[in-house]
Amino acid sequence: QQQVKQSPQSLIVQKGGIPIINCAYENTAFDYFPWYQQFPGKGPALLIAIRPDVSEKKEGRFTISFNKSAKQFSLHIMDSQPGDSATYFCAAKTGRRALTFGSGTRLQVQP
Amino acid sequence: SQTIHQWPATLVQPVGSPLSLECTVEGTSNPNLYWYRQAAGRGLQLLFYSVGIGQISSEVPQNLSASRPQDRQFILSSKKLLLSDSGFYLCAWSGRTDLNQPQHFGDGTRLSIL
Repeated sequence: QQQVKQSPQSLIVQKGGIPIINCAYENTAFDYFPWYQQFPGKGPALLIAIRPDVSEKKEGRFTISFNKSAKQFSLHIMDSQPGDSATYFCAAKTGRRALTFGSGTRLQVQP
Repeated sequence: SQTIHQWPATLVQPVGSPLSLECTVEGTSNPNLYWYRQAAGRGLQLLFYSVGIGQISSEVPQNLSASRPQDRQFILSSKKLLLSDSGFYLCAWSGRTDLNQPQHFGDGTRLSIL
């Protein structure tokens, strides 16, 4: 019940494309859903986060879509750039517990 | 502003040797502190978290231990390293004033066991 399932494992898009990364969860007590971006040799950095009372949140080129009834949420990257090439992790938590992470998606944006 | 420091950045240790990784946070008080391990190409596995000095919760049984001797210091240790302890170890902190505080990560320690 604590799992967060993330897909795809890897993704290749052309510059300007819109990669979409999906996550699904089972624990309906989760109340905070962040996305992290990780470059090689670095720690994950918070990208954007959403709470379940909101269906969509946009920050710059990054958008989270949240479907509470389906227990799914996704990350969209508009006008993707080669600099967006990184590993992306979705996560979820409830209350003051630590985050539960998805397995990660390696994104490659080709010039 | 808050910063988190981890050291060393890389470490190569023989099997059976001891381990001590240190993490410190600056610019905040009473943080929640976390240790994660990330295997190559995998997600992040929570190892330990702490809500205060001397308070450690372990998430998985293993060869490692954690301690929090000071408010903003978190240490990951082992008495005898195993080959399976290789990985990328990440320390993180979060604030405690809001339930939905994000976790902020250090740049990690790459540990290789020979």
